[in-house]
Amino acid sequence: DTGVSQDPRHKITKRGQNVTFRCDPISEHNRLYWYRQTLGQGPEFLTYFQNEAQLEKSRLLSDRFSAERPKGSFSTLEIQRTEQGDSAMYLCASSFSSYEQYFGPGTRLTVT
Amino acid sequence: GIQVEQSPPDLILQEGANSTLRCNFSDSVNNLQWFHQNPWGQLINLFYIPSGTKQNGRLSATTVATERYSLLYISSSQTTDSGVYFCAVEGAGAGSYQLTFGKGTKLSVIP
Repeated sequence: DTGVSQDPRHKITKRGQNVTFRCDPISEHNRLYWYRQTLGQGPEFLTYFQNEAQLEKSRLLSDRFSAERPKGSFSTLEIQRTEQGDSAMYLCASSFSSYEQYFGPGTRLTVT
Repeated sequence: GIQVEQSPPDLILQEGANSTLRCNFSDSVNNLQWFHQNPWGQLINLFYIPSGTKQNGRLSATTVATERYSLLYISSSQTTDSGVYFCAVEGAGAGSYQLTFGKGTKLSVIP
């Protein structure tokens, strides 16, 4: 069991560019979640997959945010036309059904 | 949605002291987890405790689901215990699957 991994760990981009983050969950977990954390706050839920189905995406922050989980394995989170307000830590978590969630190390995004 | 309140927001301890962190939540829950976030941002699982009491070394946790609160006890604190402690809950209502986090308790343990 290698845990949840995320790539890249850090991303610096210029405003207006698109960025994509990857998350590899724990292999036997069927649920995958994306959260965002800003300074001084707890993580905030963005979206959720059960296997390959995205069952909740209304909490994505705007239509510039999208996520995929092809074949129910790894997932990607894309932010188009980045803004300075998108600067945050993006966290991925996985779980088996509604049991304990395990988090990856996060991707820290800085938009300049 | 469900509300989560943690107290105290900040806590400074002398090494060796004991402490209790509290988490209040506003509705029934299916899942309650305690995390420690290290300085690099990694959320480390401490307890999965929707009800009852668990212990792991110097840490223990109790959740009283009927009264909608959970407590995290840290005994004989060490400097490595410093960081932010989060309580997170998954509500029991239909369509609840995500964790809702409190704002955390920032713990500083000084030698």
